[in-house]
Amino acid sequence: QKEVEQDPGPLSVPEGAIVSLNCTYSNSAFQYFMWYRQYSRKGPELLMYTYSSGNKEDGRFTAQVDKSSKYISLFIRDSQPSDSATYLCAMTSDSSYKLIFGSGTRLLVRP
Amino acid sequence: SAVISQKPSRDICQRGTSLTIQCQVDSQVTMMFWYRQQPGQSLTLIATANQGSEATYESGFVIDKFPISRPNLTFSTLTVSNMSPEDSSIYLCSVEQGVGQPQHFGDGTRLSIL
Repeated sequence: QKEVEQDPGPLSVPEGAIVSLNCTYSNSAFQYFMWYRQYSRKGPELLMYTYSSGNKEDGRFTAQVDKSSKYISLFIRDSQPSDSATYLCAMTSDSSYKLIFGSGTRLLVRP
Repeated sequence: SAVISQKPSRDICQRGTSLTIQCQVDSQVTMMFWYRQQPGQSLTLIATANQGSEATYESGFVIDKFPISRPNLTFSTLTVSNMSPEDSSIYLCSVEQGVGQPQHFGDGTRLSIL
């Protein structure tokens, strides 16, 4: 079993939809949680960075962490075709710099 | 966040040769890392590039295959040695600017081995 599980998709939604992307993990020591967006032929771009449990909002993006369920989510409101990309979750513990990544979810937002 | 430049952006190499990938950052950073992203897979940490000392390698990666240099706080290189088709991958440099700060990535080097 992988430490971090993420549905690879692809997830196809119409423009304007609310998108929900999720990851589950097994290591209860993870405290830092990140979402990266990766466009084709580009490196991962940091979208959201949260510590421990709770919600964080930045524009159209909301990150949620539920440590009791070992489950994190990224919500995208009013999705745009420019949001079409692969979304990677990543996490690490207090005592480590090593990021553990999910396999990424491909998102396609149709005009 | 720091601007990270990787060179080359892509290359096609012959089996048995070696290629050195450069990572340049526009500001001093505490930590630099090298990752591999194989086709259709997620990112795997190869090693941490330590300034002024030997790199710290993750399980499954060895210095003879992936020698790394970090001569200062803004620059690092990764060499992929004696390449085989299994080394075809995207190699990514990332940096961390301080304790508790997230990692930021370059655009990667797309490597194909014939």
